[in-house]
Amino acid sequence: QSALTQPPSASGSPGQSVTISCTGTSSDIGGYDHVSWYQQHPGKAPKLMIYEVTKRPSGVPDRFSGSKSGNTASLTVSGLQAEDEADYYCSSYAGSNSWVFGGGTKVTVL
Amino acid sequence: EVQLVESGGGLVQREGSLRLSCAASGFPFSSYWMTWVRQAPGKGLEWVAAIKPDGTEKYYVDSVKGRFTISRDNAKNSLYLQMISLRAEDTAVYYCARMSFWANDYWGQGTLVTVSS
Repeated sequence: QSALTQPPSASGSPGQSVTISCTGTSSDIGGYDHVSWYQQHPGKAPKLMIYEVTKRPSGVPDRFSGSKSGNTASLTVSGLQAEDEADYYCSSYAGSNSWVFGGGTKVTVL
Repeated sequence: EVQLVESGGGLVQREGSLRLSCAASGFPFSSYWMTWVRQAPGKGLEWVAAIKPDGTEKYYVDSVKGRFTISRDNAKNSLYLQMISLRAEDTAVYYCARMSFWANDYWGQGTLVTVSS
């Protein structure tokens, strides 16, 4: 049950794109298509942005997209907006009815 | 509208116990897996426990096994987390969340648990 690895920070100017990586192992990300991504603003509860690697819940802008290759998942935010500045966490099913989160990435809009 | 409202957090001494509750509304509670996720001050998210819709199967992160118990009362649309032998490292905001398609699609606002030494 080791945490997934995310870069601590990422940044981009308004209108640009930013991609956040999330690295796990063959026991979690590499073994299942059950990767999700969450956005968290300061003092607020997390919000689901991506589930099952690539799917967006209703109401999430299509500027947010997810992908996976091997043991690494990625979240891309295109056309960065000021309100996208937040912490982002990846999560994966890790087998045996357990889940694991990444350490989080702080996205700054320059 | 889906709503999850946690309660029961507070200040507790090391080795003490606490019971968190989560009141659910706006969806068929008895049809969903439910989870508890915590976040230590200034830190990331950590999955803590999950429970099957009928309550017959429960799963925990290694660090809380034997100390925390997740349960639910489907007649009351409520989720619980009984915590005993609390440690300083259990200090966190505890969120209850609904699980759908292997992801936590709705979250409560969280309740803060502070363990003093």
